Amino acid sequence: AQSVTQPDIHITVSEGASLELRCNYSYGATPYLFWYVQSPGQGLQLLLKYFSGDTLVQGIKGFEAEFKRSQSSFNLRKPSVHWSDAAEYFCAVGAHAGNMLTFGGGTRLMVKP
Amino acid sequence: EAEVAQSPRYKITEKSQAVAFWCDPISGHATLYWYRQILGQGPELLVQFQDESVVDDSQLPKDRFSAERLKGVDSTLKIQPAELGDSAMYLCASRPDFGNTEAFFGQGTRLTVV
Repeated sequence: AQSVTQPDIHITVSEGASLELRCNYSYGATPYLFWYVQSPGQGLQLLLKYFSGDTLVQGIKGFEAEFKRSQSSFNLRKPSVHWSDAAEYFCAVGAHAGNMLTFGGGTRLMVKP
Repeated sequence: EAEVAQSPRYKITEKSQAVAFWCDPISGHATLYWYRQILGQGPELLVQFQDESVVDDSQLPKDRFSAERLKGVDSTLKIQPAELGDSAMYLCASRPDFGNTEAFFGQGTRLTVV
């Protein structure tokens, strides 16, 4: 069975500071990995995805993530956080693009002015 | 830009009442998913459709939940009777049946059972 762990429930960073959100997954084969962002009361917006190839993937809004098979990780990064990035972030894993997704518990990001 | 449409956005219902949610996927998307997201948690799959057929409903509480996609287009998720623990966000997503395209999510229906 696949699973996703997001160790940090809450993270607070200052505007302009760098950000790294952690994601660890458990899956027996090569996973399809995703990061989604959710603003309060809203649906999920895809930030980026990894299916194969280059392990460093670029997404929208200046986000990137790196797939590290040896560590079973897919951490999300942004070099300079903006106040509008405050939201909840979810990492997810699937067996393939059309497979059901297993989500982590989410990390709530707060941005200090 | 095409979107997954869900209605209603918010629903308050009394315990033991019936409630239904509607989802209209992006045109041409063969796969449709219903997820439930309890406050403070990640979404969990309830049911997956491929056209009008159920692919996976192993996590759907079938004693009270039902889902249908009769013509392989829009879908309805029903709860009868609703319980307090059903309070959650219900998210619909869809994706085309080809390639490595990810699923697109709707805005969700926030259900509160009182």
